[in-house]
Amino acid sequence: GAGVSQSPRYKVAKRGQDVALRCDPISGHVSLFWYQQALGQGPEFLTYFQNEAQLDKSGLPSDRFFAERPEGSVSTLKIQRTQQEDSAVYLCASSLATGHYEQYFGPGTRLTVT
Amino acid sequence: AQKVTQAQTEISVVEKEDVTLDCVYETRDTTYYLFWYKQPPSGELVFLIRRNSFDEQNEISGRYSWNFQKSTSSFNFTITASQVVDSAVYFCALSDNNAGNMLTFGGGTRLMVKP
Repeated sequence: GAGVSQSPRYKVAKRGQDVALRCDPISGHVSLFWYQQALGQGPEFLTYFQNEAQLDKSGLPSDRFFAERPEGSVSTLKIQRTQQEDSAVYLCASSLATGHYEQYFGPGTRLTVT
Repeated sequence: AQKVTQAQTEISVVEKEDVTLDCVYETRDTTYYLFWYKQPPSGELVFLIRRNSFDEQNEISGRYSWNFQKSTSSFNFTITASQVVDSAVYFCALSDNNAGNMLTFGGGTRLMVKP
């Protein structure tokens, strides 16, 4: 079946612009996660949804970052007034249920802020 | 707080050699889960294995094997008879009850297998 998809795959934004990154999880997956991966480092947790409820947003680095999953499937990560330090790959992952199940990752969106 | 350390940042081997990737973790929970992911040059993280803290049996899957030792808080990954296609960055990750369902990743080990 289809895996996790993300769009766009690449995004170049000028500093100060707003961006929106989309994630389509595997159909039927309850849990959805966003991670940020800086160059040469491991992914770092941003936020977690169980269906449409955002249960954990402790990893969001500032109030410029906002995520939503209004219908419990597709999710959007929005970054307002982008800064150069926001340049990274943004990874979305989904898992079948709540709990410590394996997470399936999308290909990521590489964001470059110039 | 939970933490995962992968001390080897980069390993280079010649095809057919065996290679072990080290992973050491820290957690205060008695119930936790450990994972390994592969990130090939394409960038997509590929799930390899999930183990829970109550199952210390080693696992083998083809050329891959995992050695879980609670006494040393380690969950090492061995590739036997490495192949060029094994070249990738490998991440060890931890999930425990304190942190909800999120994964805490190590810094990754870049494995280069030369022909």
